[in-house]
Amino acid sequence: NAGVMQNPRHLVRRRGQEARLRCSPMKGHSHVYWYRQLPEEGLKFMVYLQKENIIDESGMPKERFSAEFPKEGPSILRIQQVVRGDSAAYFCASSPDRGNTGELFFGEGSRLTVL
Amino acid sequence: GIQVEQSPPDLILQEGANSTLRCNFSDSVNNLQWFHQNPWGQLINLFYIPSGTKQNGRLSATTVATERYSLLYISSSQTTDSGVYFCAVSYNFNKFYFGSGTKLNVKP
Repeated sequence: NAGVMQNPRHLVRRRGQEARLRCSPMKGHSHVYWYRQLPEEGLKFMVYLQKENIIDESGMPKERFSAEFPKEGPSILRIQQVVRGDSAAYFCASSPDRGNTGELFFGEGSRLTVL
Repeated sequence: GIQVEQSPPDLILQEGANSTLRCNFSDSVNNLQWFHQNPWGQLINLFYIPSGTKQNGRLSATTVATERYSLLYISSSQTTDSGVYFCAVSYNFNKFYFGSGTKLNVKP
């Protein structure tokens, strides 16, 4: 059973460009979460999605950030017009469908560097 | 949101030593997990432990939900235990709140 797959692992963007981060949950998981980790800090919740629905986006910045989890394909976290402060590691997690306990399984993260 | 405090923030051990990491949280929770972030940045699940005690090899964890804390025990530490240990809690299934972590350095 493959784990949570994230790509790209590393992404470099110049200020003003767009960043797209992808996440494929584990098989049998339809709950996807995105977290952001700044250097030397803990993880901060951004958004929780199920297939085709955003359940909780209370941690998402109001502007430039969006997330989706379409019926087919991976979940995507999109950051428009990136700024240096967006440089961080972005982690995706998924949790099981059946009797969802909310137990999280993380991918290896996508590290965004904004020049 | 729920406040999560982890202690100590930093810990240096000699290989073979034992340690206890603590996680206090400010509100009732029905989910609690411990993670190890290794030096390469990977987040490894250690325990899913909303209450009670679990053991896995040299590691064990105890959560006392009514008193709002959890403990992670590491026995006979090894250099591969180095990294940051995070506690994460949730009262629903929408989001987990993470502590700032305990940074462990095990010296050979």
